[in-house]
Amino acid sequence: DTGVSQDPRHKITKRGQNVTFRCDPISEHNRLYWYRQTLGQGPEFLTYFQNEAQLEKSRLLSDRFSAERPKGSFSTLEIQRTEQGDSAMYLCASSLGDVQPQHFGDGTRLSIL
Amino acid sequence: AQKVTQAQTEISVVEKEDVTLDCVYETRDTTYYLFWYKQPPSGELVFLIRRNSFDEQNEISGRYSWNFQKSTSSFNFTITASQVVDSAVYFCALREYGNKLVFGAGTILRVKS
Repeated sequence: DTGVSQDPRHKITKRGQNVTFRCDPISEHNRLYWYRQTLGQGPEFLTYFQNEAQLEKSRLLSDRFSAERPKGSFSTLEIQRTEQGDSAMYLCASSLGDVQPQHFGDGTRLSIL
Repeated sequence: AQKVTQAQTEISVVEKEDVTLDCVYETRDTTYYLFWYKQPPSGELVFLIRRNSFDEQNEISGRYSWNFQKSTSSFNFTITASQVVDSAVYFCALREYGNKLVFGAGTILRVKS
């Protein structure tokens, strides 16, 4: 059983550049979540999808952030005009329905120069 | 509002000692779920246990045990006979009706040989 896969594992970019991350959930999971984790803190919820529909977005998700899940399978998270404060680990999780546990990927670590 | 407090920032023990990680939560809902996740140095969040608010029965899985007490809004995690491989950051999380997880700040557990 393949787990949640995230790409890339690490991303280093200059301030002001756009970045895009990809998440491939566990194949039969219809729910997909994005979280952000900064050093020394627990993950914070950003947004989630049920199939291709984006059902909730956190206030943390500014206008520079956009997430998509076009065919209800993989998802992308794009950050435009990156800022220093965007440096964090971006975690993706998936679950089968709303009751089952969320299973997490290894994350994408973003570093802004 | 939902809140999870893990008051212990860091705990150090010697191998074979028992250790308890504390978790206190706040919620206004009567239906909710509690979780524990482990985050080893590799970074991936590993699901350990889920508990729903109607099931206060304690659970034991090998060297791991969990004590859920609604009266004190606590969901504590005990590792018996700790091992070096238990060294990780442990997160407690809460989910009310809906889907997002609210995490505590985590407890760093260091097990020394």
